[in-house]
Amino acid sequence: AQSVTQLGSHVSVSEGALVLLRCNYSSSVPPYLFWYVQYPNQGLQLLLKYTTGATLVKGINGFEAEFKKSETSFHLTKPSAHMSDAAEYFCAVTVYGGSQGNLIFGKGTKLSVKP
Amino acid sequence: GAVVSQHPSWVICKSGTSVKIECRSLDFQATTMFWYRQFPKQSLMLMATSNEGSKATYEQGVEKDKFLINHASLTLSTLTVTSAHPEDSSFYICSATPGTSGSNEQFFGPGTRLTVL
Repeated sequence: AQSVTQLGSHVSVSEGALVLLRCNYSSSVPPYLFWYVQYPNQGLQLLLKYTTGATLVKGINGFEAEFKKSETSFHLTKPSAHMSDAAEYFCAVTVYGGSQGNLIFGKGTKLSVKP
Repeated sequence: GAVVSQHPSWVICKSGTSVKIECRSLDFQATTMFWYRQFPKQSLMLMATSNEGSKATYEQGVEKDKFLINHASLTLSTLTVTSAHPEDSSFYICSATPGTSGSNEQFFGPGTRLTVL
């Protein structure tokens, strides 16, 4: 079985500061990992994903994440926060070829950006 | 590509009435669609998985007779909340997967806000 833990339900940064959103996963088989962003009253938008290959994954809006197997982590970073980054972020895990519907979400981290 | 739409985006209904929410994959055929429910400030909870032409698979604790799911075609799935009550008020999100073997990537709709008075 897979699980996801997002450390920190709320993260606040100043505009221009580094964004770091933490995600740790548990999986008995090689995972597929995702980060989604959700703006108020909207659905989820895929930021980036890791399946296989390069462990540093670059996504949209300047975000990137690094898959670290030894640490079972997939933290999301952005060098310089922008006001428009304020949203809810969800980390999710699934496995290749796994039963459909087993996309497991973390509880989410709300990112606030201060001017 | 891989756009999923939902209709309506929001709906307000009286207690006891039924509400239908549509989920459409606009530019791909979705062999599987998923329905999620999201309570305020919480994560997504998978309600059910629907495959085209077959009965939906419901997660434990989700009432099949209350949340009717129909996946009539490769581009359309509907969720009907029957005899809605205020506790059914929530944000309902669908997703769809193109069905590429093993990829499991889901594309999400914009969600439907249901308010039951």
